[in-house]
Amino acid sequence: NAGVTQTPKFQVLKTGQSMTLQCAQDMNHNSMYWYRQDPGMGLRLIYYSASEGTTDKGEVPNGYNVSRLNKREFSLRLESAAPSQTSVYFCASSATSITNEKLFFGSGTQLSVL
Amino acid sequence: AQSVSQHNHHVILSEAASLELGCNYSYGGTVNLFWYVQYPGQHLQLLLKYFSGDPLVKGIKGFEAEFIKSKFSFNLRKPSVQWSDTAEYFCAVLYGGSQGNLIFGKGTKLSVKP
Repeated sequence: NAGVTQTPKFQVLKTGQSMTLQCAQDMNHNSMYWYRQDPGMGLRLIYYSASEGTTDKGEVPNGYNVSRLNKREFSLRLESAAPSQTSVYFCASSATSITNEKLFFGSGTQLSVL
Repeated sequence: AQSVSQHNHHVILSEAASLELGCNYSYGGTVNLFWYVQYPGQHLQLLLKYFSGDPLVKGIKGFEAEFIKSKFSFNLRKPSVQWSDTAEYFCAVLYGGSQGNLIFGKGTKLSVKP
């Protein structure tokens, strides 16, 4: 069972470079999310997609864009990376975005921006 | 603003000691409450959740949490911790009608000494 798959696992960028983090889930989930995890800050929601064709901003969307390519895939793009975007990024999915559905997390992408 | 507070940043216990990790959330009407755990080097996993009914919720690995509505709290407990419980624990709240914006606390790191 693959669950939620994120690529790459590690990435080093220079300031100003762009990159896209890929995420795919094979559980036929409607909702997908991108979080960043920083020491002492917990997880903060960047963007989420409640269902295919929709995306919404979370708590910290600035500097990011997302694409819900299809039901399986939800990518996160950094157009011009900044050192403040050094973080661990987690993709997650849930059957729906409402109430009691639990999140399934990917294994994370460790991103360093120099 | 909706927020989740975890009182302890780092808790150190010896094996067999009892554990209680605090979690409080800001008022916001109907809530669904979660505890997630992140073992070293792994991604987040759901430990337990509350959405209605009995306010005492039992989760995996002997953990339980009690929802006290009057105190806006959802504290995590375990009677006797093991070395394998060493991990970071995150409380999370889904406010009613928020369409997937799960708000996480900053996390509590638990270190259990063998």
